[in-house]
Amino acid sequence: GAVVSQHPSWVICKSGTSVKIECRSLDFQATTMFWYRQFPKQSLMLMATSNEGSKATYEQGVEKDKFLINHASLTLSTLTVTSAHPEDSSFYICSARPDRGRDYGYTFGSGTRLTVV
Amino acid sequence: SQQGEEDPQALSIQEGENATMNCSYKTSINNLQWYRQNSGRGLVHLILIRSNEREKHSGRLRVTLDTSKKSSSLLITASRAADTASYFCATALTGGYNKLIFGAGTRLAVHP
Repeated sequence: GAVVSQHPSWVICKSGTSVKIECRSLDFQATTMFWYRQFPKQSLMLMATSNEGSKATYEQGVEKDKFLINHASLTLSTLTVTSAHPEDSSFYICSARPDRGRDYGYTFGSGTRLTVV
Repeated sequence: SQQGEEDPQALSIQEGENATMNCSYKTSINNLQWYRQNSGRGLVHLILIRSNEREKHSGRLRVTLDTSKKSSSLLITASRAADTASYFCATALTGGYNKLIFGAGTRLAVHP
C-alpha cells in the first residue's frame, strides 16, 4: 500500500513550451504533497508544499509563476513548468505522507526527468 | 534549502563489510528519516527515528540520533553489492506540514 504514481517518467520539450507533471496517490488520500528537484549527483531540494484546495507554499528562491502547482483533489497534485528553458532540465520528484502512524515515512513517486532542448 | 551535511560524500567498501554514514542537521525536528535512492529513480524509505529516540534497528540497519549534537548515523551491517545506492537523511521539521528536508547524501558502492 501507500503508492505514489508520477507521470511522465521522462519528457523532452522545446524551450518556451510548458510541461505538466502529475503526482497521484493511488491508495490513500494526500492532503499535502511535496515537490522536489534534484540535479545530477546532488540531493533533493524542496521546491514547494502542495495543499489540497489551497495555494501551494513555495520555498525561498522558487519562482511560483515558473512552477505552477495545482492540488485539485485529495489524490492528485500537478506541477507545471511554464516557459521551460534548458536550465529547468532536472529530475523532479513528488512525495506524500500516508496517514499510517508516526513511525512511517513518506512515499515518493518514481520521478520525472525533464530535458529542455 | 538543505538541512545539513552528510559524510562521507562517497564510500566504497567490499561485500561483508559494514558501512557507516553520518548526517547533521540544523533545526528542531519531529523525526529523522533515512532514504535510499538507486541511480535515477525515486526514493525508498528505510527507517524513521523519532526525536525522543536514541537508537533504532531494522534488519541490517541501525540508526542513532543525538539531538544534542543534531546528528544521526546509519549503519548497514554485512553489506551486499545490492546495497549500492545513494543514501539520504531527511528531517521532518517541527511546525506545519512536516516537510522533509534532505541532507547532501552519501554515495555507497559495495564491491563483490
